[in-house]
Amino acid sequence: TQLLEQSPQFLSIQEGENLTVYCNSSSVFSSLQWYRQEPGEGPVLLVTVVTGGEVKKLKRLTFQFGDARKDSSLHITAAQPGDTGLYLCAGVGGGTSYGKLTFGQGTILTVHP
Amino acid sequence: ETGVTQTPRHLVMGMTNKKSLKCEQHLGHNAMYWYKQSAKKPLELMFVYNFKEQTENNSVPSRFSPECPNSSHLFLHLHTLQPEDSALYLCASSLTGDGNTIYFGEGSWLTVV
Repeated sequence: TQLLEQSPQFLSIQEGENLTVYCNSSSVFSSLQWYRQEPGEGPVLLVTVVTGGEVKKLKRLTFQFGDARKDSSLHITAAQPGDTGLYLCAGVGGGTSYGKLTFGQGTILTVHP
Repeated sequence: ETGVTQTPRHLVMGMTNKKSLKCEQHLGHNAMYWYKQSAKKPLELMFVYNFKEQTENNSVPSRFSPECPNSSHLFLHLHTLQPEDSALYLCASSLTGDGNTIYFGEGSWLTVV
């Protein structure tokens, strides 16, 4: 069974601060996805990282996939209240299996004005 | 608006009731999924349909019965549920052959009393 450990589970910060969310596993994933979910909504895909060591940037968000493809991180620079939400990482196993994502428990981020 | 629409958004039902959740996708996808999201637990994959055929049943109790009449519609029939089944039920879809990029609906909040 592939498990994804996400940390921290809760993060409460002030506007302007930086933060990092981690997603770790003992299993290797062919790719890893990050989602953001706002209250009352479904998860929305932010990014997919595929190559070990890959770094992707989405405005103030930086996503990194570990060299061994077992871990990933999400770094937010100068957080804003609009970044508030649940951040989920999801690993895609090797082989072809549609939608077989293994989700982490999520990180609830609250950014205070 | 993700192109995946779920109804109803909220449902309260008694343990002896029979109800159904409905999902419709307008993305031209051929794979559809049901996920369960409970507090303090990772997203759990319940069912996968690929070209209307069920390809995954993740050991879901028989009180949950999925139905996929065509590639655009997916139902989850609910019967004799337990209070612990209260959760957010998310429908998702993906384009077959598109790896594992899936698009979630906004979810149906289910409360079993």
